[in-house]
Amino acid sequence: NAGVTQTPKFQVLKTGQSMTLQCAQDMNHNSMYWYRQDPGMGLRLIYYSASEGTTDKGEVPNGYNVSRLNKREFSLRLESAAPSQTSVYFCASSVPGGGEGYTFGSGTRLTVV
Amino acid sequence: KQEVTQIPAALSVPEGENLVLNCSFTDSAIYNLQWFRQDPGKGLTSLLLIQSSQREQTSGRLNASLDKSSGRSTLYIAASQPGDSATYLCAVPNSGGYQKVTFGIGTKLQVIP
Repeated sequence: NAGVTQTPKFQVLKTGQSMTLQCAQDMNHNSMYWYRQDPGMGLRLIYYSASEGTTDKGEVPNGYNVSRLNKREFSLRLESAAPSQTSVYFCASSVPGGGEGYTFGSGTRLTVV
Repeated sequence: KQEVTQIPAALSVPEGENLVLNCSFTDSAIYNLQWFRQDPGKGLTSLLLIQSSQREQTSGRLNASLDKSSGRSTLYIAASQPGDSATYLCAVPNSGGYQKVTFGIGTKLQVIP
């Protein structure tokens, strides 16, 4: 089925460890996004990529880096994980401008201890 | 800055009841609004996308309306079923561009058999 695939689904890290969250979409969308979801705060945009080769900061970019590897793949990297980064991370994609709405992956539940 | 409010935060209804979920937004210069469903521990599933030129959209037992002038959208669920139990989120683009989409915190719905 066409959609957005995220890996891994669950991860536990120790403070200071690094990891990369992977996201791939097969919807031929140009734009991709990384969000985090925390209780009582809704979804917040971390980084987005309007098109292949471009990335921009969102609302909460500190502590994260991203790479738009190609049109299909958009990864999120935590260089030195902190307990404050414990969250559920969602990748999404859309056509440019979001005029056809957004498609989300199933999420990565990350715990930093 | 776009602010999105969803009322009520939680709702518990008996099976078969018709119900309305509300989404209010402060910046009416939007080009669409999207309703999502999120099951516990899962990703976001798109339910309905309403373009700014439309007044409502329907899919099965779901009907979403949009009133830009008053900054409101409603999601109507007819003949609710236990399988409708989930959190319902609305997503509203900011006037600053597609990368700035504000999500409501959601309405957690429980349909009691």
